[in-house]
Amino acid sequence: QKEVEQDPGPLSVPEGAIVSLNCTYSNSAFQYFMWYRQYSRKGPELLMYTYSSGNKEDGRFTAQVDKSSKYISLFIRDSQPSDSATYLCAMRDLSSNTGKLIFGQGTTLQVKP
Amino acid sequence: DADVTQTPRNRITKTGKRIMLECSQTKGHDRMYWYRQDPGLGLRLIYYSFDVKDINKGEISDGYSVSRQAQAKFSLSLESAIPNQTALYFCATSGQINQPQHFGDGTRLSIL
Repeated sequence: QKEVEQDPGPLSVPEGAIVSLNCTYSNSAFQYFMWYRQYSRKGPELLMYTYSSGNKEDGRFTAQVDKSSKYISLFIRDSQPSDSATYLCAMRDLSSNTGKLIFGQGTTLQVKP
Repeated sequence: DADVTQTPRNRITKTGKRIMLECSQTKGHDRMYWYRQDPGLGLRLIYYSFDVKDINKGEISDGYSVSRQAQAKFSLSLESAIPNQTALYFCATSGQINQPQHFGDGTRLSIL
């Protein structure tokens, strides 16, 4: 079983839709959670990060963490064609001294005009 | 200019060849990482370095070596390339250990 599971999609939605991207994890030591966005032929770009359970909002994006269920989500409101990309969740154990991130497989999102 | 620069962006080579991928950064970060990305597998850590004298293996280091020439430069080498090393390779940097990692735009490597 992979430590982090992410539905690879692809996910196709109309412009303006609310998008929900999700990851589950098995290691209860993970305490640091990130979402990256990756456009074609580009490197991953950090969108949001959080250390705690609950919601964190940044513009149209909301990151949600539920440590009791080992489940994290990224919500995108009023989705735009420019949001079309692959979204990667990543997490790590803060007590580890390696700085190693564990990534999900990535979900490909297409927002149609 | 990009904060994390990888060269080359694309490379096609033959089995058995030695290849070096280079990464340089202007962010002033001490920590640098090499990942590979394969479809369905996400990003996996190959090597990481916390400073010029500190280099560590990641989860998939077999067949790879690295060199940290300076704080700003971290190179990945494939001594004798094989086809299953065909992948996207990314370099990343971070400041303090619990700060986010910042990625370059990758090298697309194909080994025939």
